[in-house]
Amino acid sequence: DAGVIQSPRHEVTEMGQEVTLRCKPISGHNSLFWYRQTMMRGLELLIYFNNNVPIDDSGMPEDRFSAKMPNASFSTLKIQPSEPRDSAVYFCASCRVGSGNQPQHFGDGTRLSIL
Amino acid sequence: QKEVEQDPGPLSVPEGAIVSLNCTYSNSAFQYFMWYRQYSRKGPELLMYTYSSGNKEDGRFTAQVDKSSKYISLFIRDSQPSDSATYLCAMSPNRDDKIIFGKGTRLHILP
Repeated sequence: DAGVIQSPRHEVTEMGQEVTLRCKPISGHNSLFWYRQTMMRGLELLIYFNNNVPIDDSGMPEDRFSAKMPNASFSTLKIQPSEPRDSAVYFCASCRVGSGNQPQHFGDGTRLSIL
Repeated sequence: QKEVEQDPGPLSVPEGAIVSLNCTYSNSAFQYFMWYRQYSRKGPELLMYTYSSGNKEDGRFTAQVDKSSKYISLFIRDSQPSDSATYLCAMSPNRDDKIIFGKGTRLHILP
């Protein structure tokens, strides 16, 4: 059974460049979450979707960040322009809501370094 | 005061010892409490989940919630080197609400 799939696993780019992170949730899951993890701030929720609709984007740090979920099997998180302080590990997670509590299943993350 | 506080460690204990990991929180609305385990360069995975106060046991793992003190614990009995990981507490007010995570405690079990 495939878990949450994230790509790329690692990304190194120069500041000012556009960065696109991708996520494929587990089939049948109707909620998707984007998190950012740093040593200083821990795991922070950036945005989450229910049934492809953004529900809460209050964690998105700035307008440079945007997220889309065009269909139930794909989501992107974009940073444009990127800055060194965006360096972190970005996780995508998915779960099924509305049918009893289900745990969030995490991907293995994208390690992003902005030079 | 942060919503969820967790000692970052590292915590080093010998193999076979009992491990105690803890979190405190400030939001009395939290009712769902979770512990996630995160191995290096991997995503967090759910270990234990409890609702409201009380204890829950699963094999070598026991989760405790004391809502009156706003304090939750995870105990690991007969600790193994494979338990070495970062443990994150997490909580939410309602079943489908967003989850607030602690920063995690790094645990090392020494063979």
